[in-house]
Formats: sequence, C-alpha cells, structure tokens
Amino acid sequence: GAGVSQSPRYKVAKRGQDVALRCDPISGHVSLFWYQQALGQGPEFLTYFQNEAQLDKSGLPSDRFFAERPEGSVSTLKIQRTQQEDSAVYLCASSSPRGTSLSSYEQYFGPGTRLTVT
Amino acid sequence: AQRVTQPEKLLSVFKGAPVELKCNYSYSGSPELFWYVQYSRQRLQLLLRHISRESIKGFTADLNKGETSFHLKKPFAQEEDSAMYYCALRKGGTSYGKLTFGQGTILTVHP
Repeated sequence: GAGVSQSPRYKVAKRGQDVALRCDPISGHVSLFWYQQALGQGPEFLTYFQNEAQLDKSGLPSDRFFAERPEGSVSTLKIQRTQQEDSAVYLCASSSPRGTSLSSYEQYFGPGTRLTVT
Repeated sequence: AQRVTQPEKLLSVFKGAPVELKCNYSYSGSPELFWYVQYSRQRLQLLLRHISRESIKGFTADLNKGETSFHLKKPFAQEEDSAMYYCALRKGGTSYGKLTFGQGTILTVHP
C-alpha cells in the first residue's frame, strides 16, 4: 500500500517568508511525528500528534513553528518568517494502526521536504 | 535527557570484511534501541530493534546495559550494505514512541 507522502519535496523560501509543509500519513495510523534533520545530523523530534490532538510539541524550536492535524489524518507544519537556520529536511513519520498499542509499532517515514532558506 | 552517540561519521570496509557500527547512549531508565538505515535516494527505514533479537540482512545488535551500547555488527559486509545508519533510542514505558537519533554513520563497502 501507499506509504507516508510529503509535499513539496523541495522548497526554497526567501528569508522572512512563511512556508507550509504537508504530510499524508499511512491511512489509519493514529500517531504522527515531525522531525527536523539539519545537514550532517540525525533527525530531531519536533512534535507528536495522536489523532488530531497535539500531545507533545516540546521539540518545536520557536513560536514561529506551528503544526496541526485537524481531522486526525493529514498534517501541516507551518514555519512563519523563515530564517536561514530553518534550512533542513523535515521528516514526517506515522505509526500505530488504530486499535493497537501506541508504543509498540515501527515508525514509517516519508521522503522528507528539503527546505532551503536564502 | 537521553542522548545517542555514534562516534564514527564515516566507516569504510571491503566486501567480505566484518563491520561494526558503534552506538552509545545515555538514559537513566530502560530504553528501547533501534537501528534505522537510509539507502541512497530512499527513505529512512527500520533495520532492527533490540527487543526483537532478530537478524536482518545479516546484521545483529545486542543491547549492553552495562556499557550503554548497542553496536551493529555484520560478519561479512556486502556492497549493498553501503548506506547511512542511524542508531535511535525510545524511552521505555512511554505511551508513544518519539525517537532520539544519533548523528549517523555513513558505511561504504568497497568491492
């Protein structure tokens, strides 16, 4: 079946612009994660949704970052007034089919969105 | 806070040689450890997890709580093993599974 998809795959933004990154998780997955991966680094956790509820946003680096998942399916990560330090690959992952234990399932990653802020 | 360290950024071996990718972690509780792999132009995917005690594509990893390590090993490397490898930790007992990743090791297997 279809895996996690993300769009756009590449985004170039001028400093100060707002951007919106979309994630389509695997159908029926309860859990959705966003990670940020800077060049040469491993992914770093940004935020977590269980269905439509954002239960953990401890990794969001500033109040310019905002994420939502209003219907418990598609999620959008929005970055306002982008800065050069926001340049990174943004990864989305989903896991936990409905009716299963939340912590016991593997996370399936999308291909990522590479954001370049000039 | 938990931390994962992969001391080698780059690792090169020849085909047929043994390979070991190092991973050390710091976490005061009982962690769950994973290895993720990213092949060229592919997405990040799970390779193996310590609780499964399985061998995937000839790779194994043993959790050593005394040394706080979870090194990935393969006795005979193949060219198709060339990839980026990430060690990751998840807090045990959490209701959801956010991961803490190491910086990654690029493995190159030469013919």
